[in-house]
Amino acid sequence: QQQVKQSPQSLIVQKGGISIINCAYENTAFDYFPWYQQFPGKGPALLIAIRPDVSEKKEGRFTISFNKSAKQFSLHIMDSQPGDSATYFCAASSSGSRLTFGEGTQLTVNP
Amino acid sequence: GAGVSQSPRYKVAKRGQDVALRCDPISGHVSLFWYQQALGQGPEFLTYFQNEAQLDKSGLPSDRFFAERPEGSVSTLKIQRTQQEDSAVYLCASSKYGWANEKLFFGSGTQLSVL
Repeated sequence: QQQVKQSPQSLIVQKGGISIINCAYENTAFDYFPWYQQFPGKGPALLIAIRPDVSEKKEGRFTISFNKSAKQFSLHIMDSQPGDSATYFCAASSSGSRLTFGEGTQLTVNP
Repeated sequence: GAGVSQSPRYKVAKRGQDVALRCDPISGHVSLFWYQQALGQGPEFLTYFQNEAQLDKSGLPSDRFFAERPEGSVSTLKIQRTQQEDSAVYLCASSKYGWANEKLFFGSGTQLSVL
């Protein structure tokens, strides 16, 4: 059962541009929303995470925007760099439950 | 080591063979998770351990899949009578305390190919 839907499936941006990846969830019990970054041949690595008591969280060039009423959250990558080229996964969980991942977005940043 | 270590890195099995995949979590981490990642998909939860106790195995796709963590550190995921649909990357993750609402540290995975 797909509880977290992610879009787009792939994204190409120019160096210096803004990358935006969106996720929507169904389970209103979810209370933890992380984003993971995965490079080929590696496991996912936590990038940034948010809880629903705030609408935005920023860490360096990475920002999560969270809309509780719409049950949506997004990742914004400012000043995108070729080194950001990777697959990005949104995920969600509720207290005491497993982490459910989206299908992933393959980001390519052209130099 | 500093991170989660998984072995083997690659495993090729003939259909019907049994395989065993090993995970060495970060030392001292209480929680250990196994995920299955099909090509081009997000990781799917398989099972969860807190120390040596397997608290959730609801994601295991069939009774051919079995996981253990007998001493609360190293874990083994065993797949009996492998089928082609078992081909995937098997990821292990650990976290310092309990459950999923904290940072998971993933290993690089074992890529299983069943011929």
